Amino acid sequence: KAGVTQTPRYLIKTRGQQVTLSCSPISGHRSVSWYQQTPGQGLQFLFEYFSETQRNKGNFPGRFSGRQFSNSRSEMNVSTLELGDSALYLCASSLGVPGETQYFGPGTRLLVL
Amino acid sequence: TQLLEQSPQFLSIQEGENLTVYCNSSSVFSSLQWYRQEPGEGPVLLVTVVTGGEVKKLKRLTFQFGDARKDSSLHITAAQPGDTGLYLCAGAGSYQLTFGKGTKLSVIP
Repeated sequence: KAGVTQTPRYLIKTRGQQVTLSCSPISGHRSVSWYQQTPGQGLQFLFEYFSETQRNKGNFPGRFSGRQFSNSRSEMNVSTLELGDSALYLCASSLGVPGETQYFGPGTRLLVL
Repeated sequence: TQLLEQSPQFLSIQEGENLTVYCNSSSVFSSLQWYRQEPGEGPVLLVTVVTGGEVKKLKRLTFQFGDARKDSSLHITAAQPGDTGLYLCAGAGSYQLTFGKGTKLSVIP
């Protein structure tokens, strides 16, 4: 069974630009969660989607948004990029039951200049 | 806000030594998970503990969940260079995981 895939793996943007990251979950998984990982703050929860609906959202500004498609693939968008948005963005998929195992992708490393 | 504190932040030991990593929470989670992350990769689940007082063993790794389900520890016996990585604990809540900041372990041959 293929794992969680994320594209692109690396991205360089400049301040003010916007970016879209993509995540394809494990086949059969309907839940996709997004996390931001930085050296200072660690892994922080952004949002979770299940069957195209956002079920939970972390404490991030509205510049961070996401969506999920009918095939469970998910995208995350960050508008008006700031230097502090430089991070590793991880997505994780699961069947969608609270507390169950989440399977992580390798992440997209975003550098904002 | 639920918080998870991990200690130590960094650990550098010689091959063959034993070590313990701690994870303490300000509140109770329904379950607690331990992950290991290697550079350039996403976290990989090692174990999930659910019941207070639970002890789980995974080869040389021993995981404990406190009786009050607010703290956990990971003990590695006879560490090997392959154990090098970032160890993360995470509390499971409603449709999200709350992570500690991790313990970066280096095992020197």
